[in-house]
Amino acid sequence: NAGVTQTPKFQVLKTGQSMTLQCAQDMNHNSMYWYRQDPGMGLRLIYYSASEGTTDKGEVPNGYNVSRLNKREFSLRLESAAPSQTSVYFCASRAGTGNKDEQFFGPGTRLTVL
Amino acid sequence: GEDVEQSLFLSVREGDSSVINCTYTDSSSTYLYWYKQEPGAGLQLLTYIFSNMDMKQDQRLTVLLNKKDKHLSLRIADTQTGDSAIYFCAEWTGGSYIPTFGRGTSLIVHP
Repeated sequence: NAGVTQTPKFQVLKTGQSMTLQCAQDMNHNSMYWYRQDPGMGLRLIYYSASEGTTDKGEVPNGYNVSRLNKREFSLRLESAAPSQTSVYFCASRAGTGNKDEQFFGPGTRLTVL
Repeated sequence: GEDVEQSLFLSVREGDSSVINCTYTDSSSTYLYWYKQEPGAGLQLLTYIFSNMDMKQDQRLTVLLNKKDKHLSLRIADTQTGDSAIYFCAEWTGGSYIPTFGRGTSLIVHP
């Protein structure tokens, strides 16, 4: 199993450009998440999908959109990138079936907006 | 709302014990987790404790939970330079889809 995969690993954008960050998991997990990580701020939830077909806003959704394409894939789109969106973006998934139900994280996408 | 607090930095000498502390506010937390993030990587689950437990030991790691004070700690015995990382405390309440993370504690291990 590959776990949670993210593409691309690195990206540089100019202000106003758009891009989509891709995330896929092969663990048959129900829930998927997008976080951003900034120095001193920890992880902040952008959007999450509790199950296939549903998406909900997290703590910092402005400037982002998401699509839960199917059970495996959850993409994050920046329609018009801004320098404030320079960050490291992590996708995560979780079985959502109870028990210890940990989150599994991807390796991250390092995004710089000039 | 729920909140999870951690100190931002901890510096220790190689071979000493490290203790990373965390406080949380949600008394209905079901699981409490410790994640480790190595430089340039994503988070990986290090250990976890169920809320009806007081202590959990796993090799060099000891997790202590004080439910009355809503305090969680992670002790790493015989800390090595390879333990240098950011450690995140997180709590999850059964029925919620969203775990709550602390801001992370950067552990720096000096030779």
